[in-house]
Order: sequence, then C-alpha cells, then structure tokens
Amino acid sequence: SAVISQKPSRDICQRGTSLTIQCQVDSQVTMMFWYRQQPGQSLTLIATANQGSEATYESGFVIDKFPISRPNLTFSTLTVSNMSPEDSSIYLCSVEVGTSGSYNEQFFGPGTRLTVL
Amino acid sequence: QKEVEQNSGPLSVPEGAIASLNCTYSDRVSQSFFWYRQYSGKSPELIMSIYSNGDKEDGRFTAQLNKASQYVSLLIRDSQPSDSATYLCAVSGMDSSYKLIFGSGTRLLVRP
Repeated sequence: SAVISQKPSRDICQRGTSLTIQCQVDSQVTMMFWYRQQPGQSLTLIATANQGSEATYESGFVIDKFPISRPNLTFSTLTVSNMSPEDSSIYLCSVEVGTSGSYNEQFFGPGTRLTVL
Repeated sequence: QKEVEQNSGPLSVPEGAIASLNCTYSDRVSQSFFWYRQYSGKSPELIMSIYSNGDKEDGRFTAQLNKASQYVSLLIRDSQPSDSATYLCAVSGMDSSYKLIFGSGTRLLVRP
C-alpha cells in the first residue's frame, strides 16, 4: 500500500471563493486520482492527475472548475474554483499501486471535507 | 453506461453471524473487483481484491467472483460490531484498467 496525506482535512468556505487541496504520497506513484463523495453518495471520479501533462477529466467535470496540478510523482493538488453550496462534499485523492500479481490496487487518502456556505 | 449495483441496506446481522454482501456489474469485460470498507466520516479502506473466478479468503473475509453471472460477493464470518460500516464494491475494466466504478455501498450493522 502507500501512506497518503491530504491537507486540509476540512474547511468551511464562502461561495465564490476557491480552495486548493493537497495530496502527498510517501512513495513515487504513476497514477493519482481525485474523487468526490457527496453526502450519502458513493465515490465519483473527477479526474486522473497526470505527471507532466494535463489531467484527464471525467464526463461532467471540467478543468476550469477543478484545475489539477501534478508536479512530481508524489504530489498533486486539486482546486475547487468559484465554489457554490453544491460543491460541499468530501474530496479524496487516491493512488494506484501495483501488486505482485501484476494487477493494481487503489488506496485512498483521508479526504478533505468541504462545506460551502 | 457501466454500472455497479449494490443493495443499500442496512443489512443487520447478529454478532458472530455471517454477513453476506452482494454486488452485480454490467460491464462483461470487467477484470478487477474490489471491496472497500468505509466507516462513517472516514475514507474507504481496501479490504479485498479479486481477479479470478472462485473464492479468495483473507482472515474472516471471503470474496467470491462469478464472471459468467457478473456477480461478486463478500462474506464476513464471525461478524463483530466493529465490522459495522458501509461496504463499497468497485470494478475496473479493460478499456481503462485503472478507472474504478463504485457501487452505492451496502450499510452493514452488526448487533451485539
């Protein structure tokens, strides 16, 4: 597995502002991902953070709203821009780690609980 | 649209019983299957992964996969109150091997 940390763990923000969430891994990983988990819901993939190139966004998520940086193989940031109350959610980063059987497993960071007023 | 279906529960079992959690998926070419446990207010924790038809056991947990029926299950033996959590089934497929599609989760309640 991998040890993943996220900052901040929680925040309360005003609508119209932006928040940048950081994700740090204790080892180099190729694949890092950002998910959203809205209250009472399951996880939805926002984007794949690619090192050295633009992130790959899923349907319904756009770079202007959720810009992502991936400057190296251990770190990524997700910014939630021009926030509205609908953005209130838990934001999770995850990393993919290879197993001895050549399949990959994903492990999640502790999450960032965002409340937008 | 690829889907992963789970009964939302809650599934209530007495302490010491076997809890059986089920998941079906729509994409026949799915290759990798995962069970995550999520306690309230916490992030998902990977507890089992399975890739081949049949059973895979790890301690009190057994994952079962039937690709022909597009069905994966998780059995928890000797259930403990500490097993009370939401269990998320996740599936990844051949088109994008890393992309996990999650079910909505089943809430398990183990009664002392």
